[in-house]
Amino acid sequence: EVQLMQSGGGLVQPGWSLRLSCVVSGFSVSSRYMSWVRQAPGKGLEWVSVIHSDGTTNYADSVKDRFTISRDQSKNTLSLQMNSLRAEDTALYYCAGGVGYLDYWGQGSLVTVSS
Amino acid sequence: EIVLTQSPATLSLSPGERAILSCRASQSISSSLAWYQQKPGQAPKLLIYDAFNRATGIPARFSGSGSGTDFTLTISSLEPEDFAVYYCQQRGNWPPPFTFGPGTRVDIK
Repeated sequence: EVQLMQSGGGLVQPGWSLRLSCVVSGFSVSSRYMSWVRQAPGKGLEWVSVIHSDGTTNYADSVKDRFTISRDQSKNTLSLQMNSLRAEDTALYYCAGGVGYLDYWGQGSLVTVSS
Repeated sequence: EIVLTQSPATLSLSPGERAILSCRASQSISSSLAWYQQKPGQAPKLLIYDAFNRATGIPARFSGSGSGTDFTLTISSLEPEDFAVYYCQQRGNWPPPFTFGPGTRVDIK
């Protein structure tokens, strides 16, 4: 059974950093296209970042140069390092993965950026 | 960047009725489009990929069609559990972003 178990959300002040983690079971994080998707309160889905099986990474313009996606094959974990957080980064962050599309999703991690 | 628009924003229907949801891309994405369903308090769920392929375990009442810039998700006969928000997502162009549409809410009439 495939499971994506997230951790690491919380309340931080603007300018602070936070790291989200997503422990995957049921497949290797290195074998799939893994993404982070966020959803601001009451809003739609926003694609944030992707790491491909070959290690290539891409980011939405809104987070480029502030967020870093990575994976640890030994722990089968996907991570999102978020720096210089802004109020507009407040959202529920989902890790998700699949072959091309997002077949599997985590439960979400709430990130609130507020002073 | 490819922009996806979805219509209508809200669809109010009764159980048993047919739902037709539209997704339009700002430029051609071939058949590289997915549909997701999201219920309150839950993560999205993949329904359709590559425009018309049902994901594993998805009932046959869900069908997708279209290519290029215009796509449709049809729910042939709404079940109570189908009332939710539906998003389209493209992965037609490289490099990303793999943008989502704004969503269509299917409400009980």
